[in-house]
Amino acid sequence: ETGVTQTPRHLVMGMTNKKSLKCEQHLGHNAMYWYKQSAKKPLELMFVYSLEERVENNSVPSRFSPECPNSSHLFLHLHTLQPEDSALYLCASSQFAYRTGRNTIYFGEGSWLTVV
Amino acid sequence: QKEVEQDPGPLSVPEGAIVSLNCTYSNSAFQYFMWYRQYSRKGPELLMYTYSSGNKEDGRFTAQVDKSSKYISLFIRDSQPSDSATYLCAMRMGGSQGNLIFGKGTKLSVKP
Repeated sequence: ETGVTQTPRHLVMGMTNKKSLKCEQHLGHNAMYWYKQSAKKPLELMFVYSLEERVENNSVPSRFSPECPNSSHLFLHLHTLQPEDSALYLCASSQFAYRTGRNTIYFGEGSWLTVV
Repeated sequence: QKEVEQDPGPLSVPEGAIVSLNCTYSNSAFQYFMWYRQYSRKGPELLMYTYSSGNKEDGRFTAQVDKSSKYISLFIRDSQPSDSATYLCAMRMGGSQGNLIFGKGTKLSVKP
């Protein structure tokens, strides 16, 4: 149990489908993240939410749409994806300490996405 | 030049060996350095967290940061088969909330 729960763990979707990934953190953190992990590539930061406000969007295509309704929940809405979007999508959370600058990121187990 | 370079391996060692994993980086503004361990089909879990230069030890694991050389290392003593995983280095600048920059990860296999 990592404190960050992701559902579903596995998802297969067609290119015309609409689906959503869900993330919930039970750690009382003030920031949540979506990362993408593809084979042979470093983890890529997609979105950052701090206190429910999006603070970073790393040039992610609009077919990925994040939503953060409160500090414990984060969604990634998926629409008309491409096969190259198949990857492991990782949700993470952290408690940013403004005084010290310390920010330890804790990851969920990930959602394996296959686009066919 | 990539911001963080990490040899992807795979690295295979016998049980009990000392393992050395390394990353180099180009951005001298990085101040926080982390090592994550990722088992197959799982999310990364934080293993070590270091601020600025120096050593940090936790059980069989030692993290070293040499900011003058822009080089970080993770040593695993008395390696066990359960240490078989991919090890990711990560780092970020001070004061920035989100931007962890990761290496590609090194796949380690410890043979019994």
